[in-house]
Amino acid sequence: EVQLVESGGGLVQPGGSLRLSCAASGFTLSNYDIHWVRQVAGKGLEWLSTITTADDSYYAGSVKGRFIISRENAKNSFYLHMNSLTAGDTAVYYCAAGAVGNFPPGFWGQGTLVTVSS
Amino acid sequence: EIVLTQSPGTLSLSPGERATLSCRASQSVSRSYLAWYQQKPGQAPRLLIYSASSRVAGTPDRFSGSGSGTEFTLTISRLEPEDFAVYYCQKYGSSPYTFGQGTKLEIK
Repeated sequence: EVQLVESGGGLVQPGGSLRLSCAASGFTLSNYDIHWVRQVAGKGLEWLSTITTADDSYYAGSVKGRFIISRENAKNSFYLHMNSLTAGDTAVYYCAAGAVGNFPPGFWGQGTLVTVSS
Repeated sequence: EIVLTQSPGTLSLSPGERATLSCRASQSVSRSYLAWYQQKPGQAPRLLIYSASSRVAGTPDRFSGSGSGTEFTLTISRLEPEDFAVYYCQKYGSSPYTFGQGTKLEIK
């Protein structure tokens, strides 16, 4: 079964850091572009970051310089390192994967909640 | 940066009716790299359509996508009870991979 399983969410203080992980099973991550998307409660989807199979990485302006996307193909996993967190970063974070060759993300994780609060 | 504007914000229809959802881009979307997603409460988004008009395996054929350039449409020919959800369009293929703000399809 194809699956993406996220972990690492939770409560963090403003200014703190957190690392989200996403483990893939049922397919080989090295053949996929990887994405992180978040959703504030009751709001729409916000694209955050993408790393391609060629290891090119891209970021939304709202997180550029604070978040870092990385992949570890040997572990079939990828990560989002989040720094300098603010209350505005409180959201459900989704990992997603899209097949190489310019396909949109067709596989999604279940989402992990990140809450930034003192 | 391309901005995607979806309309209407909310669409109230009855099962069996036809739904037409719009996604307008501020600039032409290259190679029609436009996708549509369905999201139900408490669930992750589900990819329905890519390349503006290609259905993902498992997407019912009552869902169809059309358009190019700056104007795109998702049509649901005859609404089933399970189709009531929020729908998002997304531009992909190059950064930023922008989403539209969503259209909520609700039961009338």
